Amino acid sequence: AQSVTQLDSQVPVFEEAPVELRCNYSSSVSVYLFWYVQYPNQGLQLLLKYLSGSTLVKGINGFEAEFNKSQTSFHLRKPSVHISDTAEYFCAVSALGSGFGNEKLTFGTGTRLTIIP
Amino acid sequence: DVKVTQSSRYLVKRTGEKVFLECVQDMDHENMFWYRQDPGLGLRLIYFSYDVKMKEKGDIPEGYSVSREKKERFSLILESASTNQTSMYLCASRGSAYEQYFGPGTRLTVT
Repeated sequence: AQSVTQLDSQVPVFEEAPVELRCNYSSSVSVYLFWYVQYPNQGLQLLLKYLSGSTLVKGINGFEAEFNKSQTSFHLRKPSVHISDTAEYFCAVSALGSGFGNEKLTFGTGTRLTIIP
Repeated sequence: DVKVTQSSRYLVKRTGEKVFLECVQDMDHENMFWYRQDPGLGLRLIYFSYDVKMKEKGDIPEGYSVSREKKERFSLILESASTNQTSMYLCASRGSAYEQYFGPGTRLTVT
C-alpha cells in the first residue's frame, strides 16, 4: 500500500515571496504523482502531474514540482506567490500495478497556504 | 470542458434518514470515485466504480453503499445517516491520463 505525507499543515508566505510545499510518499512499486488545489468551497483542481519522463513538471498558475525518486519526494514550488494562491494544496499518489490498485489515489492531509499581503 | 456535477452543495439530514448523493460526469469516463473530506484527514476513499454495475470498496466503506446503473452517474447512499457522517463529500471521475476530475462537493450535516 502507498502513503503520502505532507509535512506542513499550514504555510504562511508573504506576497511575491517564493514558496515550497513538501510532499513525501511511500510505495513498494512505481508511482504516478499529483498535486491538487482546493479553493474555498470548491472541489479539487489538478495543478500538475508526474507520470514519467522529465522529473521537473510544470503546472498551471506558475507552479512546478520536482520528482525525486531517491528521496521519495514531490515538492511543489512557486517562485512568486499572489493573494489568489491562498488555498489548500493536496499531494496524491497512485501506485502502478495490476488489478484495480492503480485506479486509486491516496491523498496527503493537505497544506493550507496563506498569502500575507 | 470536463464537468463533474453533484446534486447538492449543502444538505441537512436527521439521524437515521436515508441519504442519496448523486454525481454525474459528462466525459464518458469508466472510473468514478466517492471521497469524504475531513479537516486534518485529507480525502479518504469510500467506494469506487470501474464500470456500470461494478464497484469496489475503498478505505472507509462502512455505513455507505453505492449504485452505478448508468456510466455517467454514480450515487452514494447513506442507509441510515449518523452524526459521524457529517462531512464534505467529493465525487470524481478518472481520465485516460490517470488524473481525477472532481465535482464541487456536497457538505452534508447530520443532526
